Amino acid sequence: GAGVSQSPSNKVTEKGKDVELRCDPISGHTALYWYRQSLGQGLEFLIYFQGNSAPDKSGLPSDRFSAERTGGSVSTLTIQRTQQEDSAVYLCASSPRGLGFAEQFFGPGTRLTVL
Amino acid sequence: AQTVTQSQPEMSVQEAETVTLSCTYDTSESDYYLFWYKQPPSRQMILVIRQEAYKQQNATENRFSVNFQKAAKSFSLKISDSQLGDAAMYFCAYRSGDTGNQFYFGTGTSLTVIP
Repeated sequence: GAGVSQSPSNKVTEKGKDVELRCDPISGHTALYWYRQSLGQGLEFLIYFQGNSAPDKSGLPSDRFSAERTGGSVSTLTIQRTQQEDSAVYLCASSPRGLGFAEQFFGPGTRLTVL
Repeated sequence: AQTVTQSQPEMSVQEAETVTLSCTYDTSESDYYLFWYKQPPSRQMILVIRQEAYKQQNATENRFSVNFQKAAKSFSLKISDSQLGDAAMYFCAYRSGDTGNQFYFGTGTSLTVIP
């Protein structure tokens, strides 16, 4: 398919474990975003990648959260020592360019449940 | 940081009728972009409509139109001839035209369409 894909679609983990969430953006899109969506809440910005520039990490809630983007394509969001408050849907989006009018194309999200 | 407010957590509309979802935002910028996204139960966020702040003309996309009031910082979405498939969460989003890395989302409005 040509859309943004995310894996896994659902992840259940125990408190204290590390998890990795994957995002495959649309081919050729230079911008990639991670968001967190808690129940009944809007989207909380986490991190933004644009081409080869240093990522904008200003939304990461703690140092347990990190993300990388390899080769300007696939991105992995890692949460270390998960806590129950990390339970949420994690959405990835890509965009053909980083500024201006360009819309974001979203993946289906990963629902993370921390027991 | 910019803030986006959706004051209607839930709305309902009769099929074939018209409904308006409200959105206000707070910014000191003059150049920015506004978006409405739809998130059905499948979690897939889909762009509904977008508006450039420098354009006075309200954007329209088939049954969807906006009422953009720049001075009032208001960006409402009107859905005409509502259909069952319009039932979803709707999110209003703001993006800076200058530092446009981040999108700022409202908390969403859950729309129910009554047959």
